[in-house]
Amino acid sequence: GIQVEQSPPDLILQEGANSTLRCNFSDSVNNLQWFHQNPWGQLINLFYIPSGTKQNGRLSATTVATERYSLLYISSSQTTDSGVYFCAVASGGSYIPTFGRGTSLIVHP
Amino acid sequence: NAGVTQTPKFQVLKTGQSMTLQCAQDMNHNSMYWYRQDPGMGLRLIYYSASEGTTDKGEVPNGYNVSRLNKREFSLRLESAAPSQTSVYFCASSETSGAGDEQFFGPGTRLTVL
Repeated sequence: GIQVEQSPPDLILQEGANSTLRCNFSDSVNNLQWFHQNPWGQLINLFYIPSGTKQNGRLSATTVATERYSLLYISSSQTTDSGVYFCAVASGGSYIPTFGRGTSLIVHP
Repeated sequence: NAGVTQTPKFQVLKTGQSMTLQCAQDMNHNSMYWYRQDPGMGLRLIYYSASEGTTDKGEVPNGYNVSRLNKREFSLRLESAAPSQTSVYFCASSETSGAGDEQFFGPGTRLTVL
């Protein structure tokens, strides 16, 4: 199956800083999503982005499918951005996503 | 509109006991999924149901059974719980299992098997 690697595994920021999270995948994809798991465990959809660029407020994402990676940008980070960010991808004839192991983000006030 | 709901939120079992985790969605979605999340492992797919009346194994199906009761409900059963099944279980749904369909997740069930 497809391999999904996320980096960095852990990230600590001061409030107001910017950050870039990366998701590399081993095959061409037909489905890619970014999720945020908040400290209470809830998984929240951020982006559905198998290719191209999208923005939602302080967050944006870019997927370069031909080079098999996706980036999640967080600008002007806030303490509420803390949690784990997951990339999930699907490839081939299946649209069922495979999750990476996540990037754990802590934003200090 | 509650989205995806799961019951119970927490459960402690002894080895060998059985239980059923319940999941329901009110978004009229066709596809439903069960995942488990272990520390440092991300989410792994246990079973999914692409549409009412169908179920398929995911990455880690051993020790589990599922039932797609109707379009709204998808249950996960542990027949004889083992400590290795200690995990957080998430149910998800999507409009279909096809391209462009985002998954929406329930709040999770934290299960401990002693």
